[in-house]
Amino acid sequence: DVKVTQSSRYLVKRTGEKVFLECVQDMDHENMFWYRQDPGLGLRLIYFSYDVKMKEKGDIPEGYSVSREKKERFSLILESASTNQTSMYLCASTLKGYGYTFGSGTRLTVV
Amino acid sequence: GDSVTQMEGPVTLSEEAFLTINCTYTATGYPSLFWYVQYPGEGLQLLLKATKADDKGSNKGFEATYRKETTSFHLEKGSVQVSDSAVYFCALIHTGGFKTIFGAGTRLFVKA
Repeated sequence: DVKVTQSSRYLVKRTGEKVFLECVQDMDHENMFWYRQDPGLGLRLIYFSYDVKMKEKGDIPEGYSVSREKKERFSLILESASTNQTSMYLCASTLKGYGYTFGSGTRLTVV
Repeated sequence: GDSVTQMEGPVTLSEEAFLTINCTYTATGYPSLFWYVQYPGEGLQLLLKATKADDKGSNKGFEATYRKETTSFHLEKGSVQVSDSAVYFCALIHTGGFKTIFGAGTRLFVKA
């Protein structure tokens, strides 16, 4: 069964920490995405990548960066975590123009 | 720009009731349309899709028909179960496109 695996289901970090959220897919997909999901705000795209070492800003990139050194791995980095980055983070991958496969999500709490 | 509008939830139904969740879209050209489902504490899962006008997507008793003339993709199920309680997202993507446009999601509660 094809999979997108996010490294942590739950994470608690302190304000100001550098946080890494990891995502790995085993489907040889070109495109990978990071979203955050908040009540009442739906899914918001943070960054996406359409190839190794390529990245594009989504709708809310401020306070985040990403890294894609290998095709199967797409990392989201919170340079200096803040309480307003407490959220559910969802990683997804896809072939161009097709439906997404999502990971199970990482619920991040910044205290 | 492109957009997807879903009916607001929550939708509360009794077991074995008929379900409709409305979805309409605004887009240029002929996008592909999707329904995703998110169970509590999980990521989204692709439920069904349709890639051209008049296509019907179906899965697990759910179905939706791509209606170009009304720009709609309503989700239906003839008899819901408690296990169908989840949040349902309508979405579109252009052929060969990178980004999916998601609706806000509709929460469904099914009572036994």
